[in-house]
Amino acid sequence: AQSVTQLDSHVSVSEGTPVLLRCNYSSSYSPSLFWYVQHPNKGLQLLLKYTSAATLVKGINGFEAEFKKSETSFHLTKPSAHMSDAAEYFCVVSGPSSGSARQLTFGSGTQLTVLP
Amino acid sequence: GAGVSQSPRYKVAKRGQDVALRCDPISGHVSLFWYQQALGQGPEFLTYFQNEAQLDKSGLPSDRFFAERPEGSVSTLKIQRTQQEDSAVYLCASSLGANGNTIYFGEGSWLTVV
Repeated sequence: AQSVTQLDSHVSVSEGTPVLLRCNYSSSYSPSLFWYVQHPNKGLQLLLKYTSAATLVKGINGFEAEFKKSETSFHLTKPSAHMSDAAEYFCVVSGPSSGSARQLTFGSGTQLTVLP
Repeated sequence: GAGVSQSPRYKVAKRGQDVALRCDPISGHVSLFWYQQALGQGPEFLTYFQNEAQLDKSGLPSDRFFAERPEGSVSTLKIQRTQQEDSAVYLCASSLGANGNTIYFGEGSWLTVV
């Protein structure tokens, strides 16, 4: 079984300041981990993914995340927030290929607000 | 097409009505997923197709929910006798292969049952 916990339902930062969105996961095997972003009335867009290669993963729009197995964490960061970053962010864990399905398990989401 | 396309984008149904939601995956994508996203929640898995075969339907909440992908491309999610608790965004996603590929999501079909 696998699960994801996003520790903050809402995060508010000022434009130009760092962003930290926290995620902890639980998995009985080596997981693949993802961050997706969802803007209002838009589809989910993949920001970045970890698939057992480098533990520091760089994504689009200046975001990055670090996989820490000892802490079972996969926190999302960005050095400097932009107004356009305001959206809902989902941490996602995927199980191993089962031959039949590769389900994604989503966290409950973190709403990021960027203040001018 | 360039991305995953879903229709209708918005649907209001009266309680007890049947609805059908359509998904056009990215051309050539083998895998197709349906997810349900309730207001304020993360998406939850409903069902998975590999080509025309429905290999996992463990997430379908009741026997009122039915999905098909008869020719291995377009998929339809059907909900019979809709209930208010069915109100949600229904997301379709596809990926190129069976495993290990990036999953691309459509913009969703917003269903409101009144």
